[in-house]
Amino acid sequence: DGGITQSPKYLFRKEGQNVTLSCEQNLNHDAMYWYRQDPGQGLRLIYYSQIVNDFQKGDIAEGYSVSREKKESFPLTVTSAQKNPTAFYLCASTIQGANTGELFFGEGSRLTVL
Amino acid sequence: GDSVTQMEGPVTLSEEAFLTINCTYTATGYPSLFWYVQYPGEGLQLLLKATKADDKGSNKGFEATYRKETTSFHLEKGSVQVSDSAVYFCALVRGSQGNLIFGKGTKLSVKP
Repeated sequence: DGGITQSPKYLFRKEGQNVTLSCEQNLNHDAMYWYRQDPGQGLRLIYYSQIVNDFQKGDIAEGYSVSREKKESFPLTVTSAQKNPTAFYLCASTIQGANTGELFFGEGSRLTVL
Repeated sequence: GDSVTQMEGPVTLSEEAFLTINCTYTATGYPSLFWYVQYPGEGLQLLLKATKADDKGSNKGFEATYRKETTSFHLEKGSVQVSDSAVYFCALVRGSQGNLIFGKGTKLSVKP
């Protein structure tokens, strides 16, 4: 079945460590997104990518990095510079250029900093 | 800048009650509007959308009408079920790159 797979589902990190969250899609979508979800704050855009080898910062990119070496994959690294990384992270994708707003989401990764 | 404001939750209803979740927006022009739903422990799913003024989006018994006069997109359902318990997000699409701006979400709990 086509869809978006995020891993790991749960992740624990010590302060000062970088961690990488995986996002893979087999929907043949061009555009991919990373959102952060905090209780009572909705979803905020971290980074997005319209095509391979290109990506743009979203509203809260500080302390995060991404890469887009393959169409199917858009990993997110939470660096030690991110001051409050404990959150639920959601990856999404859509057809590039469609501007439909119809995003397909993965099931999310919950990161907890100990 | 563009923004979305939803009524704060949580909302607790009995089964078969009528549901309204208010959503208003601020935007340049007339962006497409969306409702997404997040069931416990899952990602978001598109519930319905409307692309222009006076459009009504509908799905699974839920409806919302794009009202440009009141800049609103309220979600309604005539008779909720326990299985509708979830967090509901109102959203608009920003710019030409398909980025969504989300409201803060409204948690709905339906009791049998």
